[in-house]
Amino acid sequence: DAGVIQSPRHEVTEMGQEVTLRCKPISGHNSLFWYRQTMMRGLELLIYFNNNVPIDDSGMPEDRFSAKMPNASFSTLKIQPSEPRDSAVYFCASSGPGGGLSYEQYFGPGTRLTVT
Amino acid sequence: AQSVTQLGSHVSVSEGALVLLRCNYSSSVPPYLFWYVQYPNQGLQLLLKYTTGATLVKGINGFEAEFKKSETSFHLTKPSAHMSDAAEYFCAVSGLGGSQGNLIFGKGTKLSVKP
Repeated sequence: DAGVIQSPRHEVTEMGQEVTLRCKPISGHNSLFWYRQTMMRGLELLIYFNNNVPIDDSGMPEDRFSAKMPNASFSTLKIQPSEPRDSAVYFCASSGPGGGLSYEQYFGPGTRLTVT
Repeated sequence: AQSVTQLGSHVSVSEGALVLLRCNYSSSVPPYLFWYVQYPNQGLQLLLKYTTGATLVKGINGFEAEFKKSETSFHLTKPSAHMSDAAEYFCAVSGLGGSQGNLIFGKGTKLSVKP
């Protein structure tokens, strides 16, 4: 099993540019989570999907952030326009199959975003 | 609401000493509890989990944790620390909401191991 795949692994961009982070969950998993990790705030849940449907996006910082899951094998997190305070490591995780609170989440390696 | 408190953002032990990382939770339903480990520049990986049944749970790399309902605790232990255990450890509790499976994470405890 390839695990959760994230791309790119590193992204450096200038303030105001659009950034798109990508995630491929583990095949057969039906829940997908986007997290942000910083030194100041720790690990924050941004949004999660169940069966491709957004369930809770209350962690999305503001309208500059958007996430989509067009099918069971792909999700994107977009920041437009990006700001220096968005610099962080962004993790994608998936869990399943079939949902259920007992299913642990499997994390991808993360995307380190730097906005200058 | 579910919540997790990890006591101590940094813990330092000597190689060969006991490792004890503390986690207390708050949950309005019977919780499922997890410990994750994060090595530098990597994602989180599952160490162990408690769902139902035996309250002493064994995980990878010699770690174990005990679910104590009366104390609302799920502390992580390892009898003898190894240099390779240096990492950040996160405790998590299952969220509410049926089958969605979200987790509530603590703020993490960074473990240092001295030679």
